[in-house]
Amino acid sequence: GQQLNQSPQSMFIQEGEDVSMNCTSSSIFNTWLWYKQEPGEGPVLLIALYKAGELTSNGRLTAQFGITRKDSFLNISASIPSDVGIYFCAGQSLFNFGNEKLTFGTGTRLTIIP
Amino acid sequence: NAGVTQTPKFQVLKTGQSMTLQCAQDMNHNSMYWYRQDPGMGLRLIYYSASEGTTDKGEVPNGYNVSRLNKREFSLRLESAAPSQTSVYFCASIRVGAESDTQYFGPGTRLTVL
Repeated sequence: GQQLNQSPQSMFIQEGEDVSMNCTSSSIFNTWLWYKQEPGEGPVLLIALYKAGELTSNGRLTAQFGITRKDSFLNISASIPSDVGIYFCAGQSLFNFGNEKLTFGTGTRLTIIP
Repeated sequence: NAGVTQTPKFQVLKTGQSMTLQCAQDMNHNSMYWYRQDPGMGLRLIYYSASEGTTDKGEVPNGYNVSRLNKREFSLRLESAAPSQTSVYFCASIRVGAESDTQYFGPGTRLTVL
């Protein structure tokens, strides 16, 4: 099946620093999604990307859909304590009409050092 | 509008016991999904349902059965629980498209099989 390699696995940064993480795939996707998960909660969608080359921002978050459709990155600028959590990328391949399926990366755990 | 709800939140089973995890969404979404989340593995798709009355296997379907009772509800059943099924289970209701910006996950069910 499709696999997503997400890196880094974990990050320890100081408040105010910028963060960058990325995902690469062995096959192409039609959609890239970035989620954040906090302890005891389900993943929450941060950014959705629908076109190759697309660059989308959501506040301090910026994500890009790679031109090859096999990769995506997420940047967080000027990190704050509430950014702590696990960030997941997910790719969607449309293999049957109306039959969307997501493949998730293994996650990047972000810890902010006071 | 409650989004996606899951019951129970926590469950402890003995090996060989059976149980059903319930999921419901009130957003009139066609597609529903069951994932399991294990440390270092990200989210893996167990089963999904593109529409009422249809279900398909995901990446890790063995040991599970599902039922799409109606458009709102999608249940996951463990007929004979095994320790390897200890995990956190997430139900998701997804609408993906160029004009969509929302993907909903439930809060999760934490299952321990002894």
